[in-house]
Amino acid sequence: TQLLEQSPQFLSIQEGENLTVYCNSSSVFSSLQWYRQEPGEGPVLLVTVVTGGEVKKLKRLTFQFGDARKDSSLHITAAQPGDTGLYLCAGDRLYKFYFGSGTKLNVKP
Amino acid sequence: NAGVTQTPKFQVLKTGQSMTLQCAQDMNHEYMSWYRQDPGMGLRLIHYSVGAGITDQGEVPNGYNVSRSTTEDFPLRLLSAAPSQTSVYFCATLLEPNSDGYTFGSGTRLTVV
Repeated sequence: TQLLEQSPQFLSIQEGENLTVYCNSSSVFSSLQWYRQEPGEGPVLLVTVVTGGEVKKLKRLTFQFGDARKDSSLHITAAQPGDTGLYLCAGDRLYKFYFGSGTKLNVKP
Repeated sequence: NAGVTQTPKFQVLKTGQSMTLQCAQDMNHEYMSWYRQDPGMGLRLIHYSVGAGITDQGEVPNGYNVSRSTTEDFPLRLLSAAPSQTSVYFCATLLEPNSDGYTFGSGTRLTVV
């Protein structure tokens, strides 16, 4: 059983559409991170959220940490083919980082 | 700066063989960890270290050993490889929790036949 559940597992959308990816847990985390991974490479950090209720924006990407620090969401506005990849959330509990199983996003031109 | 360097990139082992996956970093990060990535499972923590001389187990430590004699190096040893250890292995480093996040190596793809 994964400590962090991500949904959806797969998402295939047209360029220009909006989407939201969810990362949920019953556990509290000190911080939560989002990564993007491309085939054959290691994950690359997108953002770290630390405070409950925190919202961070990175161009067309908006990240939110739940008030209780148990969940997070990633919203992409006007998706582009360059957004294609595997999106992973990871939560920090006392030096142990737990990853969700990922959301595979495909943005079609 | 090379960041996090993992070697080898690919490896095929026979069941029962042993090997060491190397991980080296030049960022002076105290925190290092090893993950394995399997389809549909995300990344699972094998072992981690919060500094030289200190290691601890993660979620899936069985069949793996680690040591941390220097800040720069964190090798992962497979003592007797099993087909269930076929996976992609990532080494990752962190300056400190709640900081800018992990820096990952490019991975080692291991197949055990």
